[in-house]
Amino acid sequence: GQQVQQSPSSLVLQEGENAELQCNFSSTATQLQWFYQSPGGSLVSLLSNPSGTKHTGRLTSTTVTKERRSSLHISSSQTTDSGTYLCAIVSGGSNYKLTFGKGTLLTVTP
Amino acid sequence: DTTVKQNPRYKLARVGKPVNLICSQTMNHDTMYWYQKKPNQAPKLLLFYYDKILNREADTFEKFQSSRPNNSFCSLYIGSAGLEYSAMYLCASSPYWGGYYAEQFFGPGTRLTVL
Repeated sequence: GQQVQQSPSSLVLQEGENAELQCNFSSTATQLQWFYQSPGGSLVSLLSNPSGTKHTGRLTSTTVTKERRSSLHISSSQTTDSGTYLCAIVSGGSNYKLTFGKGTLLTVTP
Repeated sequence: DTTVKQNPRYKLARVGKPVNLICSQTMNHDTMYWYQKKPNQAPKLLLFYYDKILNREADTFEKFQSSRPNNSFCSLYIGSAGLEYSAMYLCASSPYWGGYYAEQFFGPGTRLTVL
């Protein structure tokens, strides 16, 4: 079946350091989204990036479709970046079903 | 306003009792979804409504029911809660983009604990 694997499962950084989150998936993805969930908050879409490189603010996502992998780079991390980052894909002929990874729990300390 | 609301935020239920969770959105989205998330697991799609048509995932078909009385509201119903239903339930909605994937907007979730 479709699988999305994220690494690392958790990451602790000091404020100002950069974070690199990985997402690997076993099926060809027609769509890939990175989500962020703050503690107690909603899932919020950060980036939609099925291929190539996209930037928004301090976030950069690079997806290599042929290699079925995507990364999310967070530069100059801040304590407010702490939370769970989830990767999700749409694949297999579906245009609605998101298949999620388990997420990366990021903790940024002062 | 891209808000999806869920009520209640926390729900305590007894084994064998029914549970009804509510979701609402004011974006006039055609599609509404329910996901289940358990600790250390990925969110998993349970079912979705496109307009008035309910689609349930095969592996959870008999465990969950849903209704959508109007475009804005969607409920998730568990007829007889078991311990395995304890989880976070996430509601999402999206517009219809003519067969192409459309961004899903998520609510804050309802944490269900079954005792």
